[in-house]
Amino acid sequence: QSVLTQPPSASGTPGQRVTISCSGSSSNIGSNTVNWYQQLPGTAPKLLIYSNNQRPSGVPDRFSGSKSGTSASLAISGLQSEDEADYYCAAWDDSLNGRDVVFGGGTKLTVL
Amino acid sequence: QLQLQESGPGLVKPSETLSLTCTVSGGSISSSSYYWGWIRQPPGKGLEWIGSIYYSGSTYYNPSLKSRVTISVDTSKNQFSLKLSSVTAADTAVYYCARQSRIAVAGDYWGQGTLVTVSS
Repeated sequence: QSVLTQPPSASGTPGQRVTISCSGSSSNIGSNTVNWYQQLPGTAPKLLIYSNNQRPSGVPDRFSGSKSGTSASLAISGLQSEDEADYYCAAWDDSLNGRDVVFGGGTKLTVL
Repeated sequence: QLQLQESGPGLVKPSETLSLTCTVSGGSISSSSYYWGWIRQPPGKGLEWIGSIYYSGSTYYNPSLKSRVTISVDTSKNQFSLKLSSVTAADTAVYYCARQSRIAVAGDYWGQGTLVTVSS
């Protein structure tokens, strides 16, 4: 059971806009920023969004992130076949130990 | 360009200790801006943070693994290492090392990952 909650699957057709949600609590998303990672089959995860809505250099502006309260969302506009991948949200979680890293369970995006 | 590379045995027997090393090239592990972490992914499943270390040696572990995990750093070799004791089949996973920071929670640079299978 992951600390952050994501839908297990999402889908869309080329050109469509899809969103993936990530729900947490006051100790993680509610008080810290959210990252999104894209994992293509057989590869390591790649940082897609940091600080809720910032894109690292090289990430297309088709990818955008947002956060409200204890939830966050990743939006992908102009969906392309190469966007078919697993997507994970992540955040710091303020625990008794200090700061843990928590993930969502991942969302498998299918481009129909 | 920063690169991270995991190394270590791909097969570990149950009850033994899993040991992996991450070698960092193209940058210094002694930078005060970053943490260095281990994340794993069981086959067909999601990501799990194992723990992180600062160049000074300060460590942070996943509470669910804390009793079995030791992460250490060797700044002279630009490496950090993972030891996971008393392994079972449930520890079979792809193990990744990554450079973490305040804004890149789980890492902005990752190694390619190494599959460790726990089996007799």
